[in-house]
Amino acid sequence: KAGVTQTPRYLIKTRGQQVTLSCSPISGHRSVSWYQQTPGQGLQFLFEYFSETQRNKGNFPGRFSGRQFSNSRSEMNVSTLELGDSALYLCASSLPDRTNEQFFGPGTRLTVL
Amino acid sequence: QKEVEQDPGPLSVPEGAIVSLNCTYSNSAFQYFMWYRQYSRKGPELLMYTYSSGNKEDGRFTAQVDKSSKYISLFIRDSQPSDSATYLCATTSGGSYIPTFGRGTSLIVHP
Repeated sequence: KAGVTQTPRYLIKTRGQQVTLSCSPISGHRSVSWYQQTPGQGLQFLFEYFSETQRNKGNFPGRFSGRQFSNSRSEMNVSTLELGDSALYLCASSLPDRTNEQFFGPGTRLTVL
Repeated sequence: QKEVEQDPGPLSVPEGAIVSLNCTYSNSAFQYFMWYRQYSRKGPELLMYTYSSGNKEDGRFTAQVDKSSKYISLFIRDSQPSDSATYLCATTSGGSYIPTFGRGTSLIVHP
């Protein structure tokens, strides 16, 4: 079974720009979560989508948004990028009632200059 | 105070040593306890998860939960250089609740 895939793997943007990251979950996994990982803060939860609806949300500003498509693929968008948004963005998929067993993708490394 | 605390290390051990990695948590509602391993430039990989208190063994890895002291441990026997990675603990109340992660402990196993 193919794992979670994320594209692109690396991205360099400048302040003020916006970015869209993509995630394809494991087949059959309808829950998709997004995390931001930085050396200082560790893994921080952004949001979780299930059946095209945001089911849980972390404590991030509205510049961070996401969506999920009918095939469970998900995208997250960050608008008006700031230097502090530089991080590894991880997507994880799971069965809907088993978010304690999350399977992560390799991440997208975003650098904001 | 973070809900899940984990010493960042690094923890450096010789090959073959028994490694003990630990976390503490503050929310007594947590019931599921997970350990993830993350290699450099990779996403975290689920190693093991346990429900409630007790031990769970998988090969060289043993996860232990002590709910009375809110303490989670991962033991690695006969450690190998390939075990060098960051180990993250995570907990959740279960169901559709999102895991809360520790910041991870960096482990270095030198030959």
